[in-house]
Amino acid sequence: QLQLQESGSGLVKPSQTLSLTCAVSGASISSGGYTWSWIRQPPGKGLEWIGYIYPSGTTSYYPSLNSRVTISLDRSKNQFSLKLTSVTAADTAVYFCARGHDFGGHPFDYWGQGTLVTVSS
Amino acid sequence: DIQLTQSPSSLSASVGDRVTITCRASQSIRSYLNWYQQKPGKAPKLLISAASSLQTGVPSRFSGGGSGTDFTLTISSLQPEDFATYYCQQSYSSPLFGGGTKVQIK
Repeated sequence: QLQLQESGSGLVKPSQTLSLTCAVSGASISSGGYTWSWIRQPPGKGLEWIGYIYPSGTTSYYPSLNSRVTISLDRSKNQFSLKLTSVTAADTAVYFCARGHDFGGHPFDYWGQGTLVTVSS
Repeated sequence: DIQLTQSPSSLSASVGDRVTITCRASQSIRSYLNWYQQKPGKAPKLLISAASSLQTGVPSRFSGGGSGTDFTLTISSLQPEDFATYYCQQSYSSPLFGGGTKVQIK
């Protein structure tokens, strides 16, 4: 059974960098046909896709976040990571990692439980 | 950029009711539309992919339809465990979620 688990700092100061890791078990992040995504949800609001990474290392990011986001793979640990720079209060959200299917529609079929990141001084 | 508009944003219904949620895309996304259910404090759960393909283990009272720009999620007979927020999502271009529909108890 595939499982994803987010970890990282739950409190980040404004202007600093948010860093999260998603540990994947039950499948290899190097397997073809899938992507590995970060998706966030501000308190009481809807879902926002941040970006994904292919097993090859190719990335795609949400345009409005593109200048601040980096997603990377660590194949030796079977995990992938998110870095979001220059954070503000607007980046306060529950951050989910998820697996997507690399075909039309790109459904996200497995999700982590989510981790709340608060941006505050 | 493709926009997704869900309607209604919330609805109140009773157990046993038939409920339909609509998702409209600003341009054709063929059948590249997925539906999720999210309960408070939980991650979203994929219900339907490719507009109408029910995921394994999802009750048959859920169904999806449509193509192009107009899509629907229908719950044929609402059950107590179905009270949740539902999201559509397209990936014809970059992944994008609709604003959500909260289904509440009448």
